[in-house]
Amino acid sequence: NAGVTQTPKFRVLKTGQSMTLLCAQDMNHEYMYWYRQDPGMGLRLIHYSVGEGTTAKGEVPDGYNVSRLKKQNFLLGLESAAPSQTSVYFCASSGRGRKNGELFFGEGSRLTVL
Amino acid sequence: KQEVTQIPAALSVPEGENLVLNCSFTDSAIYNLQWFRQDPGKGLTSLLLIQSSQREQTSGRLNASLDKSSGRSTLYIAASQPGDSATYLCAVERSNTGKLIFGQGTTLQVKP
Repeated sequence: NAGVTQTPKFRVLKTGQSMTLLCAQDMNHEYMYWYRQDPGMGLRLIHYSVGEGTTAKGEVPDGYNVSRLKKQNFLLGLESAAPSQTSVYFCASSGRGRKNGELFFGEGSRLTVL
Repeated sequence: KQEVTQIPAALSVPEGENLVLNCSFTDSAIYNLQWFRQDPGKGLTSLLLIQSSQREQTSGRLNASLDKSSGRSTLYIAASQPGDSATYLCAVERSNTGKLIFGQGTTLQVKP
């Protein structure tokens, strides 16, 4: 059981380049999230989704886009990367069953923008 | 706006000591509160989840309490071990919105 899988795990970009981070979960969870984690700032919510075909903005959505075309996948896109987007990105998912919202995280994707 | 604060930012204790980590939040209209553990370079692992109607949850040597009226939660770790060394984060979900707001964490070091 893989849980939450993020790809790629590491990436270096030049300013202005674009890329997509892929998150896949095999737990049939409704809710999926993208967070970024920065020293001194903690974990901040970028975008989230409460079901297939839906997305919503979190605390820091600017410069990012997301899509949830399939229930098991949640994609995070950077159209024109900036050095301020250097961070560790975490995907998470949760169901709405017995444990009502327990969050499961991926291992993280470390992105450096030069 | 919900704000979550964890104090202290870092804590160092000798092995075997019982300890308490604190989490406070500004908006009491929460759906649940979760405690997580994060090891260096790794993702977060859920430790305990407390629903808004509950007062505490226990798992092994861990006990988490929730007092919504005062906007506080504590994570109690009994008989600490070096393997407990990690960063502990709390997060609150507001009113079943699916949005979790995290504190900045407490980094715990348990010395042998």
